Amino acid sequence: EIMLTQSPGTLSLSPGERATLSCRASQTVTSSFLAWYQHKPGQAPRLLIFGASTRDTGIPDRFSGSGSGTDFTLTISRLEPEDFAVYYCQQYGNSPPWTFGQGTKVEIK
Amino acid sequence: EAQLVESGGALVQPGGSLRLSCAASGFSFSSYWMSWVRQAPGEGPEWVANIKHDGRDPYYMASVKGRFTISRDNARNSLYLQMNSLRADDTAVYFCARVKWSHPGAFEIWGQGTMVTVSS
Repeated sequence: EIMLTQSPGTLSLSPGERATLSCRASQTVTSSFLAWYQHKPGQAPRLLIFGASTRDTGIPDRFSGSGSGTDFTLTISRLEPEDFAVYYCQQYGNSPPWTFGQGTKVEIK
Repeated sequence: EAQLVESGGALVQPGGSLRLSCAASGFSFSSYWMSWVRQAPGEGPEWVANIKHDGRDPYYMASVKGRFTISRDNARNSLYLQMNSLRADDTAVYFCARVKWSHPGAFEIWGQGTMVTVSS
């Protein structure tokens, strides 16, 4: 089972700033099958990025994903007020089990 | 608009059973793989089970295999999770999620979840 470690645990930033979130896998993620999700309390999680770098339908271009192998990054170029949330990475290479990281909370400084 | 709505969560005693349901609307349910994902308080999400569009090849995480059963009724646009022999560590919000067909394993639509609490 591939373990995912996200850092930092919490990111305190102001609107307009750049956010850089990291996700490290315990072994190579097949074919860059890595996704990023945004989750706000009481809401359904939202798929932002799949295939490590492809934005899902309707996701603003301030969200970008990069990386391959074991190291992946989600970047939010300029934080909007609605972007403050918890972000999770997930790997879905090959067969299940598909695994998630423990999350990075982006909070208002 | 594609939508998923879970129901059936409750407080149940250890060793008990519960059946969760997920009602799908706004898309061709029978065309998509579906999964259950859970999230315990203060933890990251955890994939639980997956079923293909036609009901074949159910997959389970190791700790629920033999206790949980995923199923679907395409005529009713519904997904189910039968949970038996429940334990305290099964306590979580349970989400149903639609699997992205072009990237099997990525979850492109989620419900808002239903809470399952296992406690005496």
